[in-house]
Amino acid sequence: GAVVSQHPSWVICKSGTSVKIECRSLDFQATTMFWYRQFPKQSLMLMATSNEGSKATYEQGVEKDKFLINHASLTLSTLTVTSAHPEDSSFYICSALVETQYFGPGTRLLVL
Amino acid sequence: KQEVTQIPAALSVPEGENLVLNCSFTDSAIYNLQWFRQDPGKGLTSLLLIQSSQREQTSGRLNASLDKSSGRSTLYIAASQPGDSATYLCAVSEDDYKLSFGAGTTVTVRA
Repeated sequence: GAVVSQHPSWVICKSGTSVKIECRSLDFQATTMFWYRQFPKQSLMLMATSNEGSKATYEQGVEKDKFLINHASLTLSTLTVTSAHPEDSSFYICSALVETQYFGPGTRLLVL
Repeated sequence: KQEVTQIPAALSVPEGENLVLNCSFTDSAIYNLQWFRQDPGKGLTSLLLIQSSQREQTSGRLNASLDKSSGRSTLYIAASQPGDSATYLCAVSEDDYKLSFGAGTTVTVRA
């Protein structure tokens, strides 16, 4: 089956630093990947749609300058949280689209 | 904007009992509906996908129904087991492949 990986699985950083999260499709290529954020006991909220070779499309209320998305190849999309603050602490999940969305295992970010 | 609601938020049942999880959505113009399982701190596992033209899907002990006109789906899990304990998420897709998720139902099956 289609496998999506994320790295790292968890990260702790200091306030003001930047953190990069990678999302890879391991055995297939995906033109489109999605990034979601999930707060404790809440649903997944779509942050942005990442398209290979073009700029990401951000959902309303998501700061594009804070959450930088790069989709440089058909198997890799990255999300960089710039100048992270404690309120950015969350569970970030990516998915890759091939007829349906295949989800990665998630990355837990804790900003101190 | 699509709103997806799942009731109840939490459910605790003894082993062997059947589970009934409900999902409702506000805009019936959906492409498909999916049920996912999420274990604590983990990603999502797709359980069942129902296309908008279908009324139900079955996989093993799982059965999901879809009533698009009334904006409802129900996930049935027969003969529950402790290993079924998890959070179950419902998500609907519209024609741009974006998924709108419900907040989930957290299930505990007591041995």
